[in-house]
Amino acid sequence: GENVEQHPSTLSVQEGDSAVIKCTYSDSASNYFPWYKQELGKRPQLIIDIRSNVGEKKDQRIAVTLNKTAKHFSLHITETQPEDSAVYFCAASIRYTGFQKLVFGTGTRLLVSP
Amino acid sequence: DAGVTQSPTHLIKTRGQQVTLRCSPKSGHDTVSWYQQALGQGPQFIFQYYEEEERQRGNFPDRFSGHQFPNYSSELNVNALLLGDSALYLCASSLSYSSNEKLFFGSGTQLSVL
Repeated sequence: GENVEQHPSTLSVQEGDSAVIKCTYSDSASNYFPWYKQELGKRPQLIIDIRSNVGEKKDQRIAVTLNKTAKHFSLHITETQPEDSAVYFCAASIRYTGFQKLVFGTGTRLLVSP
Repeated sequence: DAGVTQSPTHLIKTRGQQVTLRCSPKSGHDTVSWYQQALGQGPQFIFQYYEEEERQRGNFPDRFSGHQFPNYSSELNVNALLLGDSALYLCASSLSYSSNEKLFFGSGTQLSVL
């Protein structure tokens, strides 16, 4: 079945630095890749997503890149701020007959120090 | 516009008991998926409901069952609770058969089995 690996498990950066989180998926049929941010005790919140027909997508300080050949996708956060501190999850989805099921990575704990 | 709502927020049960968790999807969504998130892990897909039927199921035993009502709300039932069932149970809603794959999560029910 589908498997998603995520690295690193923890990432500490100084405010203003960039942060990069990488994921690898196993099923080449995966066609949708969202990223979620989860603060302690709160729900996962969708921050950005990308479809398999697009190589890169950007939304202000956040960008996602996708390499279908290598089955890699990455989250890039520039000019990090303390409020970016949270656990970030990548996910991959295969859409069968209108329905999708997300397979999540194990998460990256990002700590941004002032 | 209400988002995904879940109840209760916290629940404490003992081994062998049964539990029912409830979810109301985001307005306009017709599909409800349930995920289990163990401490320090990514969410794991349990099952998905559309038109009051289970459409997809993850690798969970038959002790986990669900239901969807005509108003699209859903319940997750777990029988014969085990200590290992302690986790955050997340409900997510989406719109199937559409070009919009976005999945939105509720705040979850924290289940503790003693």
